[in-house]
Order: sequence, then C-alpha cells, then structure tokens
Amino acid sequence: GENVEQHPSTLSVQEGDSAVIKCTYSDSASNYFPWYKQELGKRPQLIIDIRSNVGEKKDQRIAVTLNKTAKHFSLHITETQPEDSAVYFCAASRSNDYKLSFGAGTTVTVRA
Amino acid sequence: SAVISQKPSRDICQRGTSLTIQCQVDSQVTMMFWYRQQPGQSLTLIATANQGSEATYESGFVIDKFPISRPNLTFSTLTVSNMSPEDSSIYLCSVEGTVSLTDTQYFGPGTRLTVL
Repeated sequence: GENVEQHPSTLSVQEGDSAVIKCTYSDSASNYFPWYKQELGKRPQLIIDIRSNVGEKKDQRIAVTLNKTAKHFSLHITETQPEDSAVYFCAASRSNDYKLSFGAGTTVTVRA
Repeated sequence: SAVISQKPSRDICQRGTSLTIQCQVDSQVTMMFWYRQQPGQSLTLIATANQGSEATYESGFVIDKFPISRPNLTFSTLTVSNMSPEDSSIYLCSVEGTVSLTDTQYFGPGTRLTVL
C-alpha cells in the first residue's frame, strides 16, 4: 500500500516568516495530494490540493509543489500568522479508489 | 462542499460494550469513508462504506470489530464492537465531495470515544 512520510514533525516559525512542510510517497500510481489543517479539537480542513498533472498550485499565502519523478510534494506558507498554528497533514490517493493515506503530521507554531 | 454531521459527538463507554456512530450528509455522495485518529496521531483509514454492499476494510480492521452500514447515498454508521481501552480514539467519517467523483474529501466533526 501507499506510504507517506512527512517532515518535520514540529516546526516553529516567527510571525511573518515562511513555513515549509515536505512529504514523500511510495506509490507511483498516486495522483491526488491534498493538505489538511487540523486545529485542536476540530476536524481536518482541506486547505489546498494538487493533482499529478500540475506541478504547482497557489492560493493566497499557501502553495503546494509536486515533483512526480522524485515522488515528493511540499506545502509552503508565506507571511505566517498566529492563526496558522495547527497540525498539518499531507495525504495521497489514487483515482481508482480515492482512499487517503496520511502523513504523520506537522505541528506548526507561529510565534508572535 | 457537503455539510456533514456525526452523532454522538463524544461518548464514554464501558469495556465490552458497543457504540454505533452515525454520519449524515446533506447531499448525495458517492464515496464515504471511516477513519480513526488515535490521541496525538494521524488519521488511519478503517474502511470504505459501500452503498448497497459490504464495506471494504483496510489491513488490520475487520468487520466483526467495526461493522459498517450504508443504506443510502447520504448516511452511514460505524459500530465499534466489544470495546477495550485501546479503542479510545476519534472516529471520523469523510465523504467525497459530489456524486461526480473529484477526489476531494471532506471530514465530519468526529466522534471522540473514551473506553474505560
């Protein structure tokens, strides 16, 4: 099955700085890569996703890049704000079954 | 995106008992899934809830322990049977966004289960 590794496990940044989280996947058939943000006691919320026919996608302060050859994808958050503090999960799935395999998560803390 | 609700939101149960968790969506969806999130951990897929047929379970999860129903395109239940303290987790349903498949999954609010 798919194996998704996520690094780092924790990340502390100064407000206004950038944060980068990296994930690798093992299954070359995976073609959909979402990122979820989970605040304490809340459900995971989809913040951005990318499909394998695209190399980069941006939504305001958030961007995701995908390198299919190397089987890795990254989340970039620019101009971080205290409300960006949360646990972020990457995931991967294939279009034939839609089952998500999650990374272990990254706890992001934005220091004011 | 669809509006997803789960009942109960939390429960405290005794060892050896069973709990059924409901997931209700406000629109028809093709795919529904059940995940488990143990304290401080990531999400692990339990099974795919198939409408009109038996659920498809992931490695390490079995129907006797986690029976699932999906009677229609808007509703599913997950039962946690013969519970032990190791079953204490958050259980989340997720749905694929629309009847026409788009990969995007949205999660319900979760059910926080504590087994004593």
